[in-house]
Amino acid sequence: NAGVTQTPKFQVLKTGQSMTLQCAQDMNHNSMYWYRQDPGMGLRLIYYSASEGTTDKGEVPNGYNVSRLNKREFSLRLESAAPSQTSVYFCASSEEEIYTGELFFGEGSRLTVL
Amino acid sequence: AQSVTQPDIHITVSEGASLELRCNYSYGATPYLFWYVQSPGQGLQLLLKYFSGDTLVQGIKGFEAEFKRSQSSFNLRKPSVHWSDAAEYFCAVEPYNNNDMRFGAGTRLTVKP
Repeated sequence: NAGVTQTPKFQVLKTGQSMTLQCAQDMNHNSMYWYRQDPGMGLRLIYYSASEGTTDKGEVPNGYNVSRLNKREFSLRLESAAPSQTSVYFCASSEEEIYTGELFFGEGSRLTVL
Repeated sequence: AQSVTQPDIHITVSEGASLELRCNYSYGATPYLFWYVQSPGQGLQLLLKYFSGDTLVQGIKGFEAEFKRSQSSFNLRKPSVHWSDAAEYFCAVEPYNNNDMRFGAGTRLTVKP
């Protein structure tokens, strides 16, 4: 089972460049999330989508945009990358029709902005 | 302010020794509580969770955690650590099923042979 798949796994950008991180889940989950992980700070929520067609800001949304393309896919876009956005990005999904609280994570995308 | 605190950044234990990882939270009411584990280069995996009821919860891989309301704590324990337990452990809270799970900074566990 694939679970949550993120692409790319690694990316190096120059300041000001744009890029999109892709995420897809095959568990038929309603909710999807984007987190960033920085040393000493744990994971912080960037955006989430409770269902297809809806998105909401999390704790650290500035500098990012998201698109919930369909139930399976949730992308994160950096329009003009900055060095402060160097981080490891995780996509996650959860089943909310019957609340379990469990998030299922992808393996992460390591982004470096020079 | 609402927060999740893991006081220990890094812990080293010998294989076979017992383990306790600390987690404290600061919320107006008891949120839902979780422990996740992250192996190197991997995403996070749920170990266990507490919503209500029995304050001692069992999880996967032989882990357990105890909720103590009076101390606002949810500490993770394991009686005998295995080398494969070396990983980073995150405590997380979610107030009232609101899609806003907050994570602590993590505790990195090293296991000595």
